[in-house]
Amino acid sequence: EAGVAQSPRYKIIEKRQSVAFWCNPISGHATLYWYQQILGQGPKLLIQFQNNGVVDDSQLPKDRFSAERLKGVDSTLKIQPAKLEDSAVYLCASSKRVTDTEAFFGQGTRLTVV
Amino acid sequence: DQQVKQNSPSLSVQEGRISILNCDYTNSMFDYFLWYKKYPAEGPTFLISISSIKDKNEDGRFTVFLNKSAKHLSLHIVPSQPGDSAVYFCAASEYSGGGADGLTFGKGTHLIIQP
Repeated sequence: EAGVAQSPRYKIIEKRQSVAFWCNPISGHATLYWYQQILGQGPKLLIQFQNNGVVDDSQLPKDRFSAERLKGVDSTLKIQPAKLEDSAVYLCASSKRVTDTEAFFGQGTRLTVV
Repeated sequence: DQQVKQNSPSLSVQEGRISILNCDYTNSMFDYFLWYKKYPAEGPTFLISISSIKDKNEDGRFTVFLNKSAKHLSLHIVPSQPGDSAVYFCAASEYSGGGADGLTFGKGTHLIIQP
């Protein structure tokens, strides 16, 4: 079974530029999460989707971050404009059911904002 | 305010010996606890979990102990193997079946298994 796929693996941008990350969850997984992991910290939830609907985006900085999952499968996370403090690893995770506490994580995208 | 604390950033253990990773929490509403393992350049992988109605859960070489009164849990790995070298994250949720959106993660402990 293929795992959660994310791209790109690494991205370096200048502050105030925009960037987008892509995630393809495990086939059949209805629930998709985006987490932000700053160096030396644990992952922190940004947004949760159930199929193509948003379940929880309370911790998403909506002035600069946006995410979508239009067809209930792939998802994109965008930052515009980026700030230095956005430097982190962005992890996508999926689970079969919204009630599953154990999620499957992708390899992540390491973003460096300079 | 850090609700899940892993106070040891790193831990070095000799191969074959027992590794004990500790985790403390402050939120008394936490009811379900998980350990994730993370290799460099990979995402975290679920390892083992425990519900608050238990005080121990075992899976092969991995055992998690929960002391609710002390708000403390620990992960024991015995015997430790070189492939166990990774960062281990403790995570907590207010209830199992609540989904992964309710997870609060600790900062992680880097376990190094020495030959």
